[in-house]
Amino acid sequence: GQQLNQSPQSMFIQEGEDVSMNCTSSSIFNTWLWYKQDPGEGPVLLIALYKAGELTSNGRLTAQFGITRKDSFLNISASIPSDVGIYFCAGTLETSGSRLTFGEGTQLTVNP
Amino acid sequence: DGGITQSPKYLFRKEGQNVTLSCEQNLNHDAMYWYRQDPGQGLRLIYYSQIVNDFQKGDIAEGYSVSREKKESFPLTVTSAQKNPTAFYLCASSIFRGDNYGYTFGSGTRLTVV
Repeated sequence: GQQLNQSPQSMFIQEGEDVSMNCTSSSIFNTWLWYKQDPGEGPVLLIALYKAGELTSNGRLTAQFGITRKDSFLNISASIPSDVGIYFCAGTLETSGSRLTFGEGTQLTVNP
Repeated sequence: DGGITQSPKYLFRKEGQNVTLSCEQNLNHDAMYWYRQDPGQGLRLIYYSQIVNDFQKGDIAEGYSVSREKKESFPLTVTSAQKNPTAFYLCASSIFRGDNYGYTFGSGTRLTVV
C-alpha cells in the first residue's frame, strides 16, 4: 500500500511566487529524491538527498531530508512558467533495498 | 550518450490483442522497472528485475508479462487479460548495489485501446 503522503495534490500559482511541497511517511527512509515530470515525458531527477538533515539546492530548487528521516520538502523560489509539471517525491525504505517508493505527485500550474 | 529508450512513443491496440512495449538501456544498470501512470495519478509498479533472467511482480502485475534475457533490455507485454490497458507506461533503470542514485526514466509509451 501507499507509504508516502505527498501534499498538496495540486497548486495553482502566479509567476514569481515561491512554492513548497512535502512528503511524509510513518516509515524511515534512507534516501529521498525529488523528480519533475513534464507532460508526456518521463520523470527527471531534480535533487537527491542521502543524510538526515541534509539541505541541497539546485538553482531555484531547495530540498531537505527531514531529521526524523520520515519526511522531506521541496521549495521552488520565484516560479516561472516552465516550472509547470508534476513533482514526485521518492525514497528508499530501510527495508526495501534500492527499490524506490513514490509519492502521488504534486501537479503545479504557473500562471504568467 | 547513455540513456534509456522506450519505443514506440504511441501505440494503439485493438481489444483482445497482445502488444509489447520496448525498453532498452545502455547505462549498464542492473535493475529495470515498469510503471503504469493513469491521468492525474502517480506511478504504479508493474514488474521489476534486479538481474538478468530474474524478475518480480510489482503492485499491479495482473495482465502483464516481462522478460529479462539481456541486461540492456526489459520488454513489457500487455496481454488481452489486462482489462483496462489504456495508460502511459514508463520504464526505468537503476544501479542495484550501493548508494541509490535514483532511477533513470525513459520518455514513456502511451498505449490506447481502440
